[in-house]
Amino acid sequence: NAGVTQTPKFRVLKTGQSMTLLCAQDMNHEYMYWYRQDPGMGLRLIHYSVGEGTTAKGEVPDGYNVSRLKKQNFLLGLESAAPSQTSVYFCASSYTTGGYQPQHFGDGTRLSIL
Amino acid sequence: GDSVTQMEGPVTLSEEACLTINCTYTATGYPSLFWYVQYPGEGLQLLLKATKADDKGSNKGFEATYRKETTSFHLEKGSVQVSDSAVYFCAPSRSASKIIFGSGTRLSIRP
Repeated sequence: NAGVTQTPKFRVLKTGQSMTLLCAQDMNHEYMYWYRQDPGMGLRLIHYSVGEGTTAKGEVPDGYNVSRLKKQNFLLGLESAAPSQTSVYFCASSYTTGGYQPQHFGDGTRLSIL
Repeated sequence: GDSVTQMEGPVTLSEEACLTINCTYTATGYPSLFWYVQYPGEGLQLLLKATKADDKGSNKGFEATYRKETTSFHLEKGSVQVSDSAVYFCAPSRSASKIIFGSGTRLSIRP
């Protein structure tokens, strides 16, 4: 029962470096999401995807790019990391657009930018 | 725009105490309402949900009732356990891409 799997779990970057966070889900969900979690601020949506080959901006998209080349995978990229992007990143997925559908979360990637 | 306000933490209780975590929201229309729980080192998990007015969601001894007139969805449990120590998030949702998470309430239970 893998559900939503995120890699890596931890990473330290220097300012200006780039990296890609990987998210994979095995539930055949259409929707996938990337959030960041910062102390006292809940979760904020970065980007999301409503299906293979589609992406859309969320609440805080600046500095990030995403791709959904396969239905089961959703990648989050940081082209030039900044200290303000130090956060815990969560990937989630859900079935469809219905507001009653819960989201299923991975265990997170803790990212530190020095 | 849509917003949610939940009780600030941390909340510290003794085992077997009663718990209430308040949550109120503002949203267009009638959103579905969720409570998620986050245990240390893990992602969020769905705890319970309610999709229309007066619905009561329940799971693991927790309950919450969708109150349309007060736009509230307070989380309650009659007798908490040490294993309930976690962070709890209230989240109204109008669609899969329009779910708003509260800032979270950290709950610690003393043995």
